[in-house]
Amino acid sequence: EIFLTQSPGTLSLSPGERATLSCRASQIVTSSYLAWFQQRPGQAPRLLIYGASYRAAGVPDRFSGSGSGTDFTLTISRLEPEDFAVYYCQQYVQSPWTFGQGTKVEIK
Amino acid sequence: QLEIQESGPGLVKPSETLSLTCTVSGGSISSSGSSWVWIRQPPGKGLEWIGNFSYSGDTNFNPSLKSRLTLSVDTSKNQFSLNLDSVTVADSAVYYCARTIRGYYYAMDVWGQGTTVTVSS
Repeated sequence: EIFLTQSPGTLSLSPGERATLSCRASQIVTSSYLAWFQQRPGQAPRLLIYGASYRAAGVPDRFSGSGSGTDFTLTISRLEPEDFAVYYCQQYVQSPWTFGQGTKVEIK
Repeated sequence: QLEIQESGPGLVKPSETLSLTCTVSGGSISSSGSSWVWIRQPPGKGLEWIGNFSYSGDTNFNPSLKSRLTLSVDTSKNQFSLNLDSVTVADSAVYYCARTIRGYYYAMDVWGQGTTVTVSS
């Protein structure tokens, strides 16, 4: 099983600031099968990034993904009020598919 | 636009079987290049993959649930279903359905709104 460790657990930032979220895998993850999701309170997760670096349709360009191997990053260049949420990375290169424990981005 | 809607009982007694259904609209459950996924999220916790299948017959289960899990599909109703046997309080969660699609490297691009299941006597 591939374990994904996200850091930090909580990120306290102000609107307009840059957010950098990390996802580290216990084994090499083929980039094609690494995704990032945003989850707002009371809502279903929303796909932001697939293939480690490709934005899903409708996702603002302030969101970007990067990384390869075991280290992946989600960057939000300038936080908007609607970006304060929990973010999950997920791998599906190997069964069982697994998620990181999440990073909460909260308003400072 | 493809939409997915989960439905289920809401409350299940311990040791009973949980049955949930996802109904797909705006697209066909049997389209090639897609698979259908079950995910759950216990209260206040993270996401857990339950299993997925494609119309072509490829099916995968989370090993932690495999012995209790049955996934099925009804193409005439454009629905897919989950049965989880011998539930315990640890199975209480919001259960989501999602689609994966080849164009997104099989990432889960469409999700249902989720249905809350509570296991309690």
